[in-house]
Amino acid sequence: EPEVTQTPSHQVTQMGQEVILRCVPISNHLYFYWYRQILGQKVEFLVSFYNNEISEKSEIFDDQFSVERPDGSNFTLKIRSTKLEDSAMYFCASSTGVDTQYFGPGTRLTVL
Amino acid sequence: GENVEQHPSTLSVQEGDSAVIKCTYSDSASNYFPWYKQELGKGPQLIIDIRSNVGEKKDQRIAVTLNKTAKHFSLHITETQPEDSAVYFCAATDGNNRLAFGKGNQVVVIP
Repeated sequence: EPEVTQTPSHQVTQMGQEVILRCVPISNHLYFYWYRQILGQKVEFLVSFYNNEISEKSEIFDDQFSVERPDGSNFTLKIRSTKLEDSAMYFCASSTGVDTQYFGPGTRLTVL
Repeated sequence: GENVEQHPSTLSVQEGDSAVIKCTYSDSASNYFPWYKQELGKGPQLIIDIRSNVGEKKDQRIAVTLNKTAKHFSLHITETQPEDSAVYFCAATDGNNRLAFGKGNQVVVIP
């Protein structure tokens, strides 16, 4: 069964450094998403991406964040200058349409 | 925006008994309600979903009910097994691609 994959599984970085989280969505899916989950809190929507552009973004997704689909398979989330409060699990998801979303295993980001 | 609340936060059941998790949502425009199961070290896995034109949906031991008037929906797991132990998340969306999640419910099935 096709799956969403994410790399790395765990990323440790120093505050102020840039990080890129990578995702490979399910191959025939057209919509891509990033969510994050701070320890002990809800899974929160960050951004959705369709037809090579952002379709929705939350208030969390400020200028420090960007997304890109650099080729036909990868979907990336970049955080330009990480803060301590960016430490969280980051989940990528994809879907064929506007509802049923399939999630990857997540990347645990630790900012020191 | 949509706010989803999930109760209880932890639920322990004896193997073979039923488990019920309830969620409420705030936005009457929400029309799609998925449930996800998350096992340790893994991402959320979709287990069942329901759309607002349906009141109940069942898939083997799992069922979901939706009450649009009261704005709540519930997950029912019957004949629970140890492998049902996980964190379960409810979510809701009004079709704008943005899922709003509940905080999660830790289900523990006691053998």
